[in-house]
Amino acid sequence: DTGVSQDPRHKITKRGQNVTFRCDPISEHNRLYWYRQTLGQGPEFLTYFQNEAQLEKSRLLSDRFSAERPKGSFSTLEIQRTEQGDSAMYLCASSNRTGKNEQFFGPGTRLTVL
Amino acid sequence: SQKIEQNSEALNIQEGKTATLTCNYTNYSPAYLQWYRQDPGRGPVFLLLIRENEKEKRKERLKVTFDTTLKQSLFHITASQPADSATYLCALGNRAGNNRKLIWGLGTSLAVNP
Repeated sequence: DTGVSQDPRHKITKRGQNVTFRCDPISEHNRLYWYRQTLGQGPEFLTYFQNEAQLEKSRLLSDRFSAERPKGSFSTLEIQRTEQGDSAMYLCASSNRTGKNEQFFGPGTRLTVL
Repeated sequence: SQKIEQNSEALNIQEGKTATLTCNYTNYSPAYLQWYRQDPGRGPVFLLLIRENEKEKRKERLKVTFDTTLKQSLFHITASQPADSATYLCALGNRAGNNRKLIWGLGTSLAVNP
């Protein structure tokens, strides 16, 4: 296991469709994060898991967004009824139980909503 | 509300010079501050962490300072090289506990000219 992987790398969808992204963290990492990033902006926090528990969810996240980490390993992020404003890079990161909280990022999934 | 500001303008410097990037924050008392590098189309990569009780950290050609009175961190790259060209992000972290969310700046684009 050499790093965090995300699938797909690119997704083009039509407005109103549902999309689901997958993240596989580094295997020994118990913490997993989802971020959204648009051009010229820093990562925007979406949600955070410790093992299978979702400990925090951004208030900016509408009810159309949901994330799961059922077995404390991989995670999925689903966006229902996509809107053009959802177009962004969706980044997943993982970290382990150390004081540094160094986050290891995946390559991201670029979503384009037409 | 919490706010992080990084150099608003892109930074262009000559190879061999020292690049200095700033990160200022308000309405926040972070336990630590991290610096990441991000290349186009990729996720951020962790570089350095500095804790609230540390004044300075070094790693090879990188140096970070942290002034909790000024609420500012400076990130220096000495003997800069064209390969250092990237966007550099600062991120603030909270104290230990279940809250492991990082607050991110917008990033500063650095171009090192040969």
